[in-house]
Amino acid sequence: EPEVTQTPSHQVTQMGQEVILRCVPISNHLYFYWYRQILGQKVEFLVSFYNNEISEKSEIFDDQFSVERPDGSNFTLKIRSTKLEDSAMYFCASEEVGAGYTFGSGTRLTVV
Amino acid sequence: QKEVEQNSGPLSVPEGAIASLNCTYSDRGSQSFFWYRQYSGKSPELIMSIYSNGDKEDGRFTAQLNKASQYVSLLIRDSQPSDSATYLCAVKRTSYDKVIFGPGTSLSVIP
Repeated sequence: EPEVTQTPSHQVTQMGQEVILRCVPISNHLYFYWYRQILGQKVEFLVSFYNNEISEKSEIFDDQFSVERPDGSNFTLKIRSTKLEDSAMYFCASEEVGAGYTFGSGTRLTVV
Repeated sequence: QKEVEQNSGPLSVPEGAIASLNCTYSDRGSQSFFWYRQYSGKSPELIMSIYSNGDKEDGRFTAQLNKASQYVSLLIRDSQPSDSATYLCAVKRTSYDKVIFGPGTSLSVIP
């Protein structure tokens, strides 16, 4: 069964450092998403991406965040200057239109 | 702010019983409805989708949708200990829109 692959599974970084979280969506999916889940809280939307551009972003997705699909397969989330409150699980998802998401296994980001 | 509400639980049921999970949503324009299962420390896994009023059955799972009441439910028949997880209700407005998740209901199936 096709799957969404995320790397790394766990990233520890110092406050103020840049991190890049990587995702390989399912190849024939067209819509890609990043969500995050702070420990004990709900899954929150960050950004959606379609046709090589952002289609929607949340209030959380401020100027320190960016996404790109540099080579037609990888889909990355960059956090420019990490803060303690960025510590969370970050999930990538891809979707056939309207069919529901397939999530990757997530990256646990710990900012110290 | 469009909201999806769920009882946080924990909901405890004995093995073999029916577990009933409920969800309400505030956006009347929502068209697609999903139930995801999330084990602790893992990513959400899609278990059911429903798009029209009524019931949809898949194995031991039945999703029920009532758009007039803005209500979605999930029934799990013959509950197993492996069903112990957090169940996330999720909605989206259109096929091209983002999914909005509820806070989840924690289910514990007691052997």
